[in-house]
Amino acid sequence: DSGVTQTPKHLITATGQRVTLRCSPRSGDLSVYWYQQSLDQGLQFLIQYYNGEERAKGNILERFSAQQFPDLHSELNLSSLELGDSALYFCASSVEQGAFYGYTFGSGTRLTVV
Amino acid sequence: AQSVTQLDSQVPVFEEAPVELRCNYSSSVSVYLFWYVQYPNQGLQLLLKYLSGSTLVESINGFEAEFNKSQTSFHLRKPSVHISDTAEYFCAVSDWGSQGNLIFGKGTKLSVKP
Repeated sequence: DSGVTQTPKHLITATGQRVTLRCSPRSGDLSVYWYQQSLDQGLQFLIQYYNGEERAKGNILERFSAQQFPDLHSELNLSSLELGDSALYFCASSVEQGAFYGYTFGSGTRLTVV
Repeated sequence: AQSVTQLDSQVPVFEEAPVELRCNYSSSVSVYLFWYVQYPNQGLQLLLKYLSGSTLVESINGFEAEFNKSQTSFHLRKPSVHISDTAEYFCAVSDWGSQGNLIFGKGTKLSVKP
């Protein structure tokens, strides 16, 4: 157990639907990062939050949004889902901003869009 | 923009043989470099990292990587692999001193055969 908790582990939904993925960071970590892992694109950075504030955006679609709450857990919202959104979504956390401090990854949420 | 190239998508090797997984990065600034390992159905785990100092870094399970600034490379090596090393290995880079974010290569699947 890495200390980063992601729920649900698996999610199957239909095209056009909306889902919410949840991440609880490791205790004491202030930064949360979201990544998408797919066979063709590999691991793509989506978005980063630090202590409730958005700090960096990567290849995140406009249909996707995220937030980090006062208790530091984060949610990634995916809407108008398409078949191509099927992927593993990882959350990672670190004590401060930046890779220097080390990322701890959760075990991921596998999203299947049918 | 930064990028990471892992030259081999798959590397099959026999048990107790040596292995090298290649990684090259592109960045115009100083960087931090990382290798992560992903076992089947799990999240990513940090294997080793280069932040500064000695260009040769080692992990607790016998892997090592050498930072070569002139070649912009950070190849991962192990002199004798075990069946249990079968996994996918990801090289990642982050700008030195920046507040983000890890940029990953597409991964190399290491398959160790008896």
